[in-house]
Amino acid sequence: QKEVEQNSGPLSVPEGAIASLNCTYSDRGSQSFFWYRQYSGKSPELIMSIYSNGDKEDGRFTAQLNKASQYVSLLIRDSQPSDSATYLCAVKNTGKLIFGQGTTLQVKP
Amino acid sequence: EAGVTQFPSHSVIEKGQTVTLRCDPISGHDNLYWYRRVMGKEIKFLLHFVKESKQDESGMPNNRFLAERTGGTYSTLKVQPAELEDSGVYFCASSPLPGQGDNEQFFGPGTRLTVL
Repeated sequence: QKEVEQNSGPLSVPEGAIASLNCTYSDRGSQSFFWYRQYSGKSPELIMSIYSNGDKEDGRFTAQLNKASQYVSLLIRDSQPSDSATYLCAVKNTGKLIFGQGTTLQVKP
Repeated sequence: EAGVTQFPSHSVIEKGQTVTLRCDPISGHDNLYWYRRVMGKEIKFLLHFVKESKQDESGMPNNRFLAERTGGTYSTLKVQPAELEDSGVYFCASSPLPGQGDNEQFFGPGTRLTVL
């Protein structure tokens, strides 16, 4: 079992729809969770961090954390073609980040 | 504020040669990390510096990899001798120490290494 698991996709949504990206992790003691967006050939860009159970909203992005279920998700409202990228879930473990393989999101005009 | 920078952006070398990658973290960030992504796999941790000290090098694949951070500023990662399986994208990230702001890691653009 991988430490951080994501569906590789691609996840295809129409412009204006809600995109839902999911991630599960294996270390129940994990405390810090991050979502990075990576465009092809570019660096991972931090878009959300979440540390406690519940929802955290920032603009069109909402991160959701459920530690009991070891589950993190990212919702993107009003998806735009410019949101098309790979979304990486990362869990912090003794300083280092453990990444999932990433989910490719395609937003179709 | 300048972000994390890495040099070179691309490097193509032959098996057995030596390559040195450089990372300049965000100014004032004492934490510096190296990660690697090989094709088709997830980004994986290599090592972590706090200032000039190696805090965690559990992800270093073998003794062909040598990382340094003299003076606690920029860092270098040397691969000697390079093997085919070392090909991938090497990312550097930095973050401030806890208590100096959010402990989130910011990534550089990466160095794409191809070993032929």
